[in-house]
Amino acid sequence: SQQGEEDPQALSIQEGENATMNCSYKTSINNLQWYRQNSGRGLVHLILIRSNEREKHSGRLRVTLDTSKKSSSLLITASRAADTASYFCATDANTGNQFYFGTGTSLTVIP
Amino acid sequence: EPEVTQTPSHQVTQMGQEVILRCVPISNHLYFYWYRQILGQKVEFLVSFYNNEISEKSEIFDDQFSVERPDGSNFTLKIRSTKLEDSAMYFCASSVTWGHGELFFGEGSRLTVL
Repeated sequence: SQQGEEDPQALSIQEGENATMNCSYKTSINNLQWYRQNSGRGLVHLILIRSNEREKHSGRLRVTLDTSKKSSSLLITASRAADTASYFCATDANTGNQFYFGTGTSLTVIP
Repeated sequence: EPEVTQTPSHQVTQMGQEVILRCVPISNHLYFYWYRQILGQKVEFLVSFYNNEISEKSEIFDDQFSVERPDGSNFTLKIRSTKLEDSAMYFCASSVTWGHGELFFGEGSRLTVL
């Protein structure tokens, strides 16, 4: 299965600290995306990084992609209580038009 | 801002009953998806739909499931004879492009099968 795996499963930090989440996947991809899910809500797209990119920034988010290791990381800098949510990576499978989601990292930011 | 809307937000049904979950994708999107998430667990792909036909489906999407775009706006997921294990949050999503762009998700329909 292509499904990604996020690590850690749960992360608890103090407001103002940085949060780093990792994602590993199994087969070649065209792109990798990160999504956020507040409890009981739908998923919201955060950032997309293509297979030929190594790093991408969006506001307080920084995403890296290492295709040789089949892994990605999401860094949230200067975290806020409002960043408390689950974060999922999603990969395509280089063929087909479906996205595979990982198991998610549950982030808690303590005010 | 355009959004994907889903109805109902919560449905409770008896095992063996048919359920239809409805979605209105973003109007200029061409690709539509259903995902499900059992409480607190991973988000699982069910099916993708393009040009009025299924593009891909997962092993979860068996003969009990069907999708339809009955008019120009709605995209429905039907479960013919619900089982207890169908209890989950079902998310509809749409995208402009095939496989390479952002997915826009609805808020989900929570299905509880008793």
